[in-house]
Amino acid sequence: AQSVTQPDIHITVSEGASLELRCNYSYGATPYLFWYVQSPGQGLQLLLKYFSGDTLVQGIKGFEAEFKRSQSSFNLRKPSVHWSDAAEYFCAVGLLNRDDKIIFGKGTRLHILP
Amino acid sequence: DTEVTQTPKHLVMGMTNKKSLKCEQHMGHRAMYWYKQKAKKPPELMFVYSYEKLSINESVPSRFSPECPNSSLLNLHLHALQPEDSALYLCASSRGLIKEETQYFGPGTRLLVL
Repeated sequence: AQSVTQPDIHITVSEGASLELRCNYSYGATPYLFWYVQSPGQGLQLLLKYFSGDTLVQGIKGFEAEFKRSQSSFNLRKPSVHWSDAAEYFCAVGLLNRDDKIIFGKGTRLHILP
Repeated sequence: DTEVTQTPKHLVMGMTNKKSLKCEQHMGHRAMYWYKQKAKKPPELMFVYSYEKLSINESVPSRFSPECPNSSLLNLHLHALQPEDSALYLCASSRGLIKEETQYFGPGTRLLVL
C-alpha cells in the first residue's frame, strides 16, 4: 500500500538559515508526490509537485524538492527561511489505483527563531 | 482567480442541531472534495464529487450529508453530530479527477459540537 512518512514532527531553524524537511514514501510505481503548506487556521496551499521528469522540482515561495528514487525520498528545501515560513508542512502521495485521493503524511511543524 | 471560499468560518452547534457548511469556487473546476482535519493531524478525505455526482464516500457516517447543487457549489449538511466531530472542515477543488491536478483548498470551517 502507498504511504508517506514525515519523520520530524517539529523542526526549529533560525531566520535566514537553510531548511530541509524530510519525506519518505512507499509506492509501487512512479509516485505522484506533493508538498503542501498550512499556516495556522488556514487551508492548505500547494508548494510543488512531482510526477516525472526532472527530479529537482521548483515550487512557489522559493521552495524546491528533490525526488530520489533510490532513497524513496522527496525532501523539501529552502536556502534561507523567513519568519513567514512558520507553518505546518505536509508531504502527500497520490494513490496508485485512485485518481481522487491523496494520502498526507502526519506533517512537520516548522518554527522560526528570530 | 484560484480561490475556494468557505462559509461560515466558525460554527458552534449542539448535538440536536442541523446546520450546513458551504463551499464555492469559480475556477470551472469539475471535482470538489470535503476533508476533515482534527487538531495536529493531516486532512482526511470524506467525500469527492465529480461533475456534480458523488464519486467517493470514504465511509463517512450518515450524519454528514454532502450536496453539490451545481458545478460551483458544494454543501455539507450536518445533523445530530457528536462532540468528536469537532474539527476543521476543508473544501477543495481541482480541474478534474486526475492525479496530476492540483487541489486548491479553502480556509476551512472550524466546527465545535457541544
